[in-house]
Amino acid sequence: SAVISQKPSRDICQRGTSLTIQCQVDSQVTMMFWYRQQPGQSLTLIATANQGSEATYESGFVIDKFPISRPNLTFSTLTVSNMSPEDSSIYLCSVEAGNEQFFGPGTRLTVL
Amino acid sequence: AQKVTQAQTEISVVEKEDVTLDCVYETRDTTYYLFWYKQPPSGELVFLIRRNSFDEQNEISGRYSWNFQKSTSSFNFTITASQVVDSAVYFCALSEAHRDDKIIFGKGTRLHILP
Repeated sequence: SAVISQKPSRDICQRGTSLTIQCQVDSQVTMMFWYRQQPGQSLTLIATANQGSEATYESGFVIDKFPISRPNLTFSTLTVSNMSPEDSSIYLCSVEAGNEQFFGPGTRLTVL
Repeated sequence: AQKVTQAQTEISVVEKEDVTLDCVYETRDTTYYLFWYKQPPSGELVFLIRRNSFDEQNEISGRYSWNFQKSTSSFNFTITASQVVDSAVYFCALSEAHRDDKIIFGKGTRLHILP
């Protein structure tokens, strides 16, 4: 199994600023995934982060807007840059361990 | 293309009734995984099951059961004798082995269990 923590758990930010979300896993994992869940919507994959290489972004997401770091096998960060109200969402990191896919508790972001 | 369809947007049933949540998927891969997750009002995602494409056996876990039918590309989820605590949004999801296990989610079904 894997226990995932995220910081911050929630934040309220001003338009035009940036926020970095941290994801910590209690075991070493090869891949970490970042998802976004907009209000009342399903989860959408933003990118896949492998340690030691650049993140792979899904269609509709770009590195300039969502830069990701993956400095080691237990940690990753996602930055939401130049925020607008449309970025208000829950951001979740996820890892695969064993036969399960685990999700962090999420970071609830509100952009004013 | 990879796709997960949950046609039921919202369902309401009275407590103790059985309820089935439908999930239909599309994939060109022969090796893939199907998932169900529960998201209660508190917001966290709770893993319920993962099933690989080579295992069509139905699964039962307490009041929960899953019916996997490759012939109809469906992976339906049934809750027997529903309880108010089952009220949540339920997501069906799919990942393909060749796509690095990226999980693609359906839009979810919001389930209301009425007392």
